[in-house]
Amino acid sequence: DAGVIQSPRHEVTEMGQEVTLRCKPISGHNSLFWYRQTMMRGLELLIYFNNNVPIDDSGMPEDRFSAKMPNASFSTLKIQPSEPRDSAVYFCASGRGASSGNTIYFGEGSWLTVV
Amino acid sequence: EDQVTQSPEALRLQEGESSSLNCSYTVSGLRGLFWYRQDPGKGPEFLFTLYSAGEEKEKERLKATLTKKESFLHITAPKPEDSATYLCAVQANTGTASKLTFGTGTRLQVTL
Repeated sequence: DAGVIQSPRHEVTEMGQEVTLRCKPISGHNSLFWYRQTMMRGLELLIYFNNNVPIDDSGMPEDRFSAKMPNASFSTLKIQPSEPRDSAVYFCASGRGASSGNTIYFGEGSWLTVV
Repeated sequence: EDQVTQSPEALRLQEGESSSLNCSYTVSGLRGLFWYRQDPGKGPEFLFTLYSAGEEKEKERLKATLTKKESFLHITAPKPEDSATYLCAVQANTGTASKLTFGTGTRLQVTL
């Protein structure tokens, strides 16, 4: 089975530019999560969806960040405008909920550098 | 607010030298405690889920245990390929929410 697929794997952009990160969850999973990982703060949950509906976006740093899930097989995380402090690894993860023991599975991450 | 604290931050072992990693947690009703392994440049890879105090799970040289306040990941006779960052996470028993709150991890290095 294909795992969680993220793109791009690496992105270098200039401050002020728009960044869009993409995620395809594992087929059949109904929960999707966006995490950010930095050396200082570790893995932080930004937002998660159940059945394509945003459930908790309290981890989204500010209005520059937005996330969408238009269907069960695709999600985006957008940063506009980007700032150097947004440089981090952004992970997408998906899960099937209680029927699978609530385990979530991670993609390989999108490494973002804002200069 | 759910909190997870892992110790030590870093651990260096010689091959064959057994040890344990600690994960202390506070959560408003535990649905599950998760262990993940993360290699450099990769996403976290699922290892174990523990649901109740007293539960134990094993996989090769790893054994995870759970009490009401903490979990331990025991590594028996480690090999260099066990070198990685080990992450602990908790999931609260709140409705349908399935989000995980992570600790900052323990970086394990196993040398020959």
